[in-house]
Amino acid sequence: GQQLNQSPQSMFIQEGEDVSMNCTSSSIFNTWLWYKQDPGEGPVLLIALYKAGELTSNGRLTAQFGITRKDSFLNISASIPSDVGIYFCAGLTGTYKYIFGTGTRLKVLA
Amino acid sequence: DTAVSQTPKYLVTQMGNDKSIKCEQNLGHDTMYWYKQDSKKFLKIMFSYNNKELIINETVPNRFSPKSPDKAHLNLHINSLELGDSAVYFCASSQDWPGLEAFFGQGTRLTVV
Repeated sequence: GQQLNQSPQSMFIQEGEDVSMNCTSSSIFNTWLWYKQDPGEGPVLLIALYKAGELTSNGRLTAQFGITRKDSFLNISASIPSDVGIYFCAGLTGTYKYIFGTGTRLKVLA
Repeated sequence: DTAVSQTPKYLVTQMGNDKSIKCEQNLGHDTMYWYKQDSKKFLKIMFSYNNKELIINETVPNRFSPKSPDKAHLNLHINSLELGDSAVYFCASSQDWPGLEAFFGQGTRLTVV
């Protein structure tokens, strides 16, 4: 079935550093979403992307919808301790289901 | 006021039991979902209802039966619980279907012993 692979699987970074993560698939998606999940909570939507090549920002977060429609990228600038959590990408398939990625676990060292 | 609320938050039960998880949304959304998150944090959709009609029914054992009494509620009933059912179950809702933005509940951690 369709799968979304996220990279890196986990990362430790220093506070103030910029973070990059990506999400790749062998299939084309029409919409990409990026979610963040805090421990013990449900995922919360960060950014939605609707068009190939689109670049969208939300505060310190910037996400891009890959030109090939098979990937997406999320950047976090000047990370802070509360950025810790699991970041999920999700892609909308042609059958209108959201497939979630494997997640990137981010830990920020103060 | 919590937008999507699930009860209970924690559920510990023995194998073979039947249990239900309730979900309510106060956002006025038309579409609701159940997701399962396994121990590796992988999230997978189980069911989706739009205006109380079943839209998505993934390959889920028929021991799992969703029920939507109205648009604001989507409950999940599980029969004959097995050890492998242990996971965190998330309810979510979106304005419409397929829903470009889903709001998730806090999750129900189910442990089958």
